Amino acid sequence: EIVLTQSPGTLSLSPGERATLSCRASQSVSSNYLAWYQQKPGQAPRLLIYGASSRATGIPDRFSGSGSGTDFTLTISRLEPEDFAVYSCQQYGSFPYTFGQGAKLEIK
Amino acid sequence: QVQLVESGGGLVKPGGSLRLSCAASGFIFSDYYMTWIRQAPGKGLEWVSYISGSGSLIHYEDSVKGRLSISRDNAKNSLYLQMNSLRAEDTAVYYCARMRTPMYYFDLWGQGSLVTVSS
Repeated sequence: EIVLTQSPGTLSLSPGERATLSCRASQSVSSNYLAWYQQKPGQAPRLLIYGASSRATGIPDRFSGSGSGTDFTLTISRLEPEDFAVYSCQQYGSFPYTFGQGAKLEIK
Repeated sequence: QVQLVESGGGLVKPGGSLRLSCAASGFIFSDYYMTWIRQAPGKGLEWVSYISGSGSLIHYEDSVKGRLSISRDNAKNSLYLQMNSLRAEDTAVYYCARMRTPMYYFDLWGQGSLVTVSS
């Protein structure tokens, strides 16, 4: 099973700042099949990024994904108030599909 | 409107059974693999199972094999999760989601259904 470790666990930033979230895999993610999801309290997760770097439909271009192999990054270039949420990475390249533990992006 | 709506959650005693449903609308249901994911209170997301569009291909996470069973009825645009021999550790919000082939990421999620296993 591929274990995904996200860091930092909590990131405190202000609107307008840049956010960088990391996701490290315990072994290489097949075909860079890595996704990022955003989740707000009481809501379902929303797909942001798939294939490590492709933005999902309707996702603003301030969200970007990068990385390959075992190290992946989600960057939010300029934080908007609605971006403060929990972000989770997920690998879907091998069974069982696994998620990171989540990273909370909070307002400073 | 493209959406998924789960139902069927509730309180059940350990060892009991429950059946979750997920109603799909706004897209050709039979064209898509579908999946269940759960999230225990205060915890991260955990993938549970998936089923192909025709229902011929199914995978489960090891801890649920033999107790949870995924199925679908394409005529009713519905996905199901039959949950038997429930344990306290099965307590979670259960989400259904659509899988986008050929890469198999989860591009559309329902709002979730809470299952609580407690005596």
